[in-house]
Amino acid sequence: ETGVTQTPRHLVMGMTNKKSLKCEQHLGHNAMYWYKQSAKKPLELMFVYSYEKLSINESVPSRFSPECPNSSLLNLHLHALQPEDSALYLCASSQEGQAPYEQYFGPGTRLTVT
Amino acid sequence: LAKTTQPISMDSYEGQEVNITCSHNNIATNDYITWYQQFPSQGPRFIIQGYKTKVTNEVASLFIPADRKSSTLSLPRVSLSDTAVYYCLVGDISNQGGKLIFGQGTELSVKP
Repeated sequence: ETGVTQTPRHLVMGMTNKKSLKCEQHLGHNAMYWYKQSAKKPLELMFVYSYEKLSINESVPSRFSPECPNSSLLNLHLHALQPEDSALYLCASSQEGQAPYEQYFGPGTRLTVT
Repeated sequence: LAKTTQPISMDSYEGQEVNITCSHNNIATNDYITWYQQFPSQGPRFIIQGYKTKVTNEVASLFIPADRKSSTLSLPRVSLSDTAVYYCLVGDISNQGGKLIFGQGTELSVKP
């Protein structure tokens, strides 16, 4: 595997379900990100992890819970979601302190909440 | 964080040069200017990044005037496969797992 991978690619869940989105980066980067992209809208930053520590939380509702088990893995735990949470969830990684300051994105998980 | 303004959409034809301009009047000293490309249902892909003057790589050029309050992405000889949304971002992402704000982007449509 190369780059940034995300699983699953598609997920349908009910409002009472608990599920997790997984992201793995194979680039040796030290920062990882979660973004949400609703239909026809720009990306919204959700969380940033820097050196495995949560550095930015963009006031995301508590029904979204991030976890960074190690420098290569990033999870997003989902619980009691609402239909408006249906979106494309994108994971990205980057290397701090090394130009160009480029974020590498995964293919995303298309989430549908029913 | 500096806010960016770019055209909502642009049309072009195959083989033409396309220039997309982005305004960022409140750019800060430590901010870099970065452009990303996004196809439907895919993650954005880095195109080019600059701090000042001109940067060129194998796919695009980025022109930044001395005051850095705007920037222009230039795509030479576009093809149908360049149809995508192009985002201009401004921010200091050199440390602390930096924060980038994606705006509405410019939807480029390339026609035969």
